[in-house]
Amino acid sequence: AQRVTQPEKLLSVFKGAPVELKCNYSYSGSPELFWYVQYSRQRLQLLLRHISRESIKGFTADLNKGETSFHLKKPFAQEEDSAMYYCALSPQGGSEKLVFGKGTKLTVNP
Amino acid sequence: DVKVTQSSRYLVKRTGEKVFLECVQDMDHENMFWYRQDPGLGLRLIYFSYDVKMKEKGDIPEGYSVSREKKERFSLILESASTNQTSMYLCASSLSWTAYEQYFGPGTRLTVT
Repeated sequence: AQRVTQPEKLLSVFKGAPVELKCNYSYSGSPELFWYVQYSRQRLQLLLRHISRESIKGFTADLNKGETSFHLKKPFAQEEDSAMYYCALSPQGGSEKLVFGKGTKLTVNP
Repeated sequence: DVKVTQSSRYLVKRTGEKVFLECVQDMDHENMFWYRQDPGLGLRLIYFSYDVKMKEKGDIPEGYSVSREKKERFSLILESASTNQTSMYLCASSLSWTAYEQYFGPGTRLTVT
């Protein structure tokens, strides 16, 4: 069964500090991994996907197949990064479905 | 710019009422989804549809049904609303089965009293 685990419900850091949001997955194949973000009073939107290997708003995420992890990182957090972050998995070969983790609420304090 | 709209932002219904939640997308997307979002539980898939008149159960379909008569519209139906269906409901769409990005609507916060 496919499963996405985000071990931290809440994460609080100070502005300028590094931030890492953890994501671990359980899947026997090679999935596609994503991070979605929901800012206050805004709709859920895609932040980044591992296949594109890009940095969005200073965030990066590396897929570690050995550790089955896809942690989201940013070297210097900003107050506007405060949001709800969801890690998601799509099974190998593409699928209409995404499996979401339970989310981590990030608060960046001034 | 993809637009996914939901018929109501807030809805209050009584236990036992039949509830319709409507979702419309304007980008000719093939796939549409209904999720519920609850604190501490994340997003859980209720139903999805990959074509007109086609539907598939998600992880928590009990107590819900769906309808997709037109490509752009996907309706979620609560046949007899119960208090444990009080939640935020999110609709999403995606272009095709190889396009992973899902575009979300603003959500409908349903309260069942």
